[in-house]
Amino acid sequence: KNEVEQSPQNLTAQEGEFITINCSYSVGISALHWLQQHPGGGIVSLFMLSSGKKKHGRLIATINIQEKHSSLHITASHPRDSAVYICAAPSGGGADGLTFGKGTHLIIQP
Amino acid sequence: GAGVSQSPSNKVTEKGKDVELRCDPISGHTALYWYRQSLGQGLEFLIYFQGNSAPDKSGLPSDRFSAERTGGSVSTLTIQRTQQEDSAVYLCASSRVGDTQYFGPGTRLTVL
Repeated sequence: KNEVEQSPQNLTAQEGEFITINCSYSVGISALHWLQQHPGGGIVSLFMLSSGKKKHGRLIATINIQEKHSSLHITASHPRDSAVYICAAPSGGGADGLTFGKGTHLIIQP
Repeated sequence: GAGVSQSPSNKVTEKGKDVELRCDPISGHTALYWYRQSLGQGLEFLIYFQGNSAPDKSGLPSDRFSAERTGGSVSTLTIQRTQQEDSAVYLCASSRVGDTQYFGPGTRLTVL
């Protein structure tokens, strides 16, 4: 079964700062997911990527398949980016569901 | 279009009772997932349906948990003889095969 590790667990930054959240996994995968959950809110899928880099607005996700590592970057961070960011990878071993990291609790202060 | 919907949004039950949670996936999505989010465990996979294939039940925590998907669309997650440790938010997601998963708002289950 895939083991998914995220860091940091908590991150507080000032508005405008460049944010990086890291994710590593233990078993080779077809694609990795980045999810966002606002306080008291639902889960939104941000990215699903299998190689290279994807960009959506101020969010950028990168993945290095050989190193089994992915990063989520937020440029020009804003208080509305405050949320829990979760990476998830296929569980592996024939299972079709996702194994989730414990999440990174991000707070952007104005 | 409509997203994934789940009902009820909240469910409070007494220990030992059975509960049924419903998920309506996005039309055309053949893959359907159930997950659980609890304070101590984070998000965990429960079960996966894909078309008419046998479901992947590898994440179900005990035989008190079961799920079915009728007609390749609506799914019901049933928990029998609920225990306090079953208290969590139960999330459903759907997708096209190998594509982004879209999550429902969840059902918050509280077992007293």
